Amino acid sequence: EPEVTQTPSHQVTQMGQEVILRCVPISNHLYFYWYRQILGQKVEFLVSFYNNEISEKSEIFDDQFSVERPDGSNFTLKIRSTKLEDSAMYFCASSDGINGYTFGSGTRLTVV
Amino acid sequence: EDQVTQSPEALRLQEGESSSLNCSYTVSGLRGLFWYRQDPGKGPEFLFTLYSAGEEKEKERLKATLTKKESFLHITAPKPEDSATYLCAVWGSGYALNFGKGTSLLVTP
Repeated sequence: EPEVTQTPSHQVTQMGQEVILRCVPISNHLYFYWYRQILGQKVEFLVSFYNNEISEKSEIFDDQFSVERPDGSNFTLKIRSTKLEDSAMYFCASSDGINGYTFGSGTRLTVV
Repeated sequence: EDQVTQSPEALRLQEGESSSLNCSYTVSGLRGLFWYRQDPGKGPEFLFTLYSAGEEKEKERLKATLTKKESFLHITAPKPEDSATYLCAVWGSGYALNFGKGTSLLVTP
């Protein structure tokens, strides 16, 4: 069964550092998303990406965040200057626009 | 603003003891309601999409139903391997899914 692949599975970074979280969506999907889940809280939408541009973003997705599809297969989330409160599980998801999203297994980001 | 409320927050069942999880929602223009299963430290795993009131879908011991205000996930004769957090999410006017906090299900032998 096709799956969404995320790397790394766990990232520890110092406050103020930049991190890049990587995702390989399902190959025939056109819609890509990032969500996050702070420990013990609900899954929250960050951003959606379609046709090489951001189609929607939440209030959480401020200027420290950016997304990119650098080639035909990868989709990345960059956090420019990490804060302690950015510690969370970050999930990438993709969709064909008709059926349910497929989520990756996530990257656990720990900011120290 | 879209709202999703799941109940109960936690549920403990004996193996074989059937029950239902509830997802109440308010959304302007529901395009879909999704159920996901999430195991600890993992991403949400897709279970069902429901598009309109009256729709039902089944998969093994799970059955999802939808009304105009809520959705139920019925679990028939659960097994310990059904233990997980079950997430409900609504898809409204935008691209985003709005998730509930989930129901943590524990099935004991």
